Amino acid sequence: DTGVSQDPRHKITKRGQNVTFRCDPISEHNRLYWYRQTLGQGPEFLTYFQNEAQLEKSRLLSDRFSAERPKGSFSTLEIQRTEQGDSAMYLCASSLLAGAEQYFGPGTRLTVT
Amino acid sequence: KQEVTQIPAALSVPEGENLVLNCSFTDSAIYNLQWFRQDPGKGLTSLLLIQSSQREQTSGRLNASLDKSSGRSTLYIAASQPGDSATYLCAIPKGNAGNMLTFGGGTRLMVKP
Repeated sequence: DTGVSQDPRHKITKRGQNVTFRCDPISEHNRLYWYRQTLGQGPEFLTYFQNEAQLEKSRLLSDRFSAERPKGSFSTLEIQRTEQGDSAMYLCASSLLAGAEQYFGPGTRLTVT
Repeated sequence: KQEVTQIPAALSVPEGENLVLNCSFTDSAIYNLQWFRQDPGKGLTSLLLIQSSQREQTSGRLNASLDKSSGRSTLYIAASQPGDSATYLCAIPKGNAGNMLTFGGGTRLMVKP
């Protein structure tokens, strides 16, 4: 396994459109995390999964955002009715256990025009 | 609520210099602390994870120290090289078990040849 992968790497969309991102974690990792990072800032936590269960969601995750991890493997993050303020880098990470080292993917850069 | 601060926000040094990056946090009851490197437009690369019971952790030219009582961690980079130019982020997991990471704003390092 070569690490955490994310697809697409870049997405440009018009305001009001829906977008979906995919994250494939390291295969034996049962914990998966989503973060968002805006320019010049550190990443901010959005949500995390243990296997297929979504255990915590940040207040940043408005009702336009939804995340799933249906079989406890890959995860998707969907943003409905995108706004310009959603423009950011969306990062996915995985870890083997709670409190263990988190490994990050390359991120998906979203630009909303 | 844990707050993580990194000062300075940017640092420029000549090649070969030894340097120290700082990370401070408000809640000393931490599980561990992780240092990351981020190249422009890329994801995060884990450098070091230092457990709360440890005082130091070393990897190659990098040495991370942790002083929980004063709420500080430092990342020491020996004999800096132009390839070390990147943003360095520290992060602390929430709670005892450690799940979501709270990040500092990062220090942008430029090593000049």
